[in-house]
Amino acid sequence: GAVVSQHPSRVICKSGTSVKIECRSLDFQATTMFWYRQFPKQSLMLMATSNEGSKATYEQGVEKDKFLINHASLTLSTLTVTSAHPEDSSFYICSASEGWGSYNEQFFGPGTRLTVL
Amino acid sequence: GDSVTQMEGPVTLSEEAFLTINCTYTATGYPSLFWYVQYPGEGLQLLLKATKADDKGSNKGFEATYRKETTSFHLEKGSVQVSDSAVYFCALSHMNTGFQKLVFGTGTRLLVSP
Repeated sequence: GAVVSQHPSRVICKSGTSVKIECRSLDFQATTMFWYRQFPKQSLMLMATSNEGSKATYEQGVEKDKFLINHASLTLSTLTVTSAHPEDSSFYICSASEGWGSYNEQFFGPGTRLTVL
Repeated sequence: GDSVTQMEGPVTLSEEAFLTINCTYTATGYPSLFWYVQYPGEGLQLLLKATKADDKGSNKGFEATYRKETTSFHLEKGSVQVSDSAVYFCALSHMNTGFQKLVFGTGTRLLVSP
């Protein structure tokens, strides 16, 4: 199947700093990419959807200015957590699909564990 | 809004035992239903899906039937293996979001011992 990578797999940062997480589709062109957040023992919550070359669409309750998403190419999307605080500590997962409209399978990255001290 | 409820884990079984992981959903209309599996250190992978009532999804010995009357999509396998140890997520998507937005359950961890 298609492969999606994330980098880094783990990151620890100080409160107030910004952290960038990369999501790459390695063997296909990702028209659409998704960013999820997962808290311990809870389900994955969709944060935003991005289409290549367009602004991301954020889910209700997700702060656009805190979670900056860039989908500049068909193989790369980045999530930047700006001015991170301990409550932003979580597991962030991206996924990518090749199309839009009818169902297109999402391929998931392995996730990034963010810890804010 | 749409939601998915899964049984809490972990589910602990011996090899060759029968597996059932319960999943029920709340949604308007006719969502598509999915089971994803996450092996340690890896991303979620689509295990099987069903797009309409009474459809049965199957893959790698796992099966799940879309039951509209009970709003359920329980995952079953007749004989589990140690290699099936993973976290299993039930999910749905809807036509009104272009089937793009996935709503997940909380996941159920399966531990299979030799």
